[in-house]
Amino acid sequence: KAGVTQTPRYLIKTRGQQVTLSCSPISGHRSVSWYQQTPGQGLQFLFEYFSETQRNKGNFPGRFSGRQFSNSRSEMNVSTLELGDSALYLCASSLDPDYEQYFGPGTRLTVT
Amino acid sequence: AQSVTQLDSQVPVFEEAPVELRCNYSSSVSVYLFWYVQYPNQGLQLLLKYLSGSTLVKGINGFEAEFNKSQTSFHLRKPSVHISDTAEYFCAVRELNTGNQFYFGTGTSLTVIP
Repeated sequence: KAGVTQTPRYLIKTRGQQVTLSCSPISGHRSVSWYQQTPGQGLQFLFEYFSETQRNKGNFPGRFSGRQFSNSRSEMNVSTLELGDSALYLCASSLDPDYEQYFGPGTRLTVT
Repeated sequence: AQSVTQLDSQVPVFEEAPVELRCNYSSSVSVYLFWYVQYPNQGLQLLLKYLSGSTLVKGINGFEAEFNKSQTSFHLRKPSVHISDTAEYFCAVRELNTGNQFYFGTGTSLTVIP
């Protein structure tokens, strides 16, 4: 079974631009979560989707948004990029919100 | 609010020596507990999990962890480490019936010294 895939793997953007990251969960998994990982803050929860509905949201500004499609694929969008948004963005999928999460390799976003 | 504390940010250990990575959490409700490993430039990989039953759980790569409810701890152990175990290790907690959000510790960097 294929694992969680994230595209693109690397991205360089300029301040003020917006970006969309994509995540394809493991086949059959209906829950997708997004995390931001930085050296200083560690793993911070962004949001979780289950069956196209946002179930949980972390403490991030409204510039960070996401959605989930009927095939469980998910996208997250960051608008008006700031230098501090440079991070590894990890997507994780699970069969059900109660089960363990399986992580993708991440998208490395660099904002210049 | 839930918090997960990994007491040691860096742990150096000689090859073939035993290691324990500590994890404590704060929660008044039932939880699921997990340990993940992250190798450089990769995502997180599940090492082991505790959902219910026996408090001693065994995972991949020879790792095991013990759930101690009274001390709210879930320490990770390996009796003999290898160079390939050098990585970042994350403890995670999922509270049940309170939104089910995952909470991660800040990570422990394990360095195995030849």
